[in-house]
Amino acid sequence: DTGVSQDPRHKITKRGQNVTFRCDPISEHNRLYWYRQTLGQGPEFLTYFQNEAQLEKSRLLSDRFSAERPKGSFSTLEIQRTEQGDSAMYLCASSFTGEQFFGPGTRLTVL
Amino acid sequence: RKEVEQDPGPFNVPEGATVAFNCTYSNSASQSFFWYRQDCRKEPKLLMSVYSSGNEDGRFTAQLNRASQYISLLIRDSKLSDSATYLCVVIQGAQKLVFGQGTRLTINP
Repeated sequence: DTGVSQDPRHKITKRGQNVTFRCDPISEHNRLYWYRQTLGQGPEFLTYFQNEAQLEKSRLLSDRFSAERPKGSFSTLEIQRTEQGDSAMYLCASSFTGEQFFGPGTRLTVL
Repeated sequence: RKEVEQDPGPFNVPEGATVAFNCTYSNSASQSFFWYRQDCRKEPKLLMSVYSSGNEDGRFTAQLNRASQYISLLIRDSKLSDSATYLCVVIQGAQKLVFGQGTRLTINP
């Protein structure tokens, strides 16, 4: 399967714990995006990388959130001191110049 | 006001019917527009791009009205497999996708 992959697919954690998600984009896609989707809503943009550079961050991305793409390939999204409001589907997408292809997402539940 | 607004539905229509969705966007500088489809508990997938001249892909027709800042999607001869959530999407800045809430469609046999 050469599509976007995300790991883990599901994560259940207790409030206050840190979690980290990984995204592997389609090979040679230079752009990588993170979105968050809550129940009944469309995805919301979080942040965007072109190669290893983080070029844009949403105001939704509080200081508890950090994203990296150290070698311009895979990316990680870390949430520190999780809150119940962080419960959502975290979607990663990648593109070269046009269409963004989404991964299956990581569903986070914060108890 | 949301940047992209859609009627969340749900729309329940019989198989074979024609159904239409609209959405409106607030940023008049938006340049690119799309419809995405999302099945339950799956990731969004691009259905079609939307152009001012209108475009058609089989049973699906998309239209853009820049003056009124609305985008439409028409599905003819609906199939059971068309049941999904349809997301109206606008591009802002460097390829940042801005999604509407989504419209849930159920096609009934």
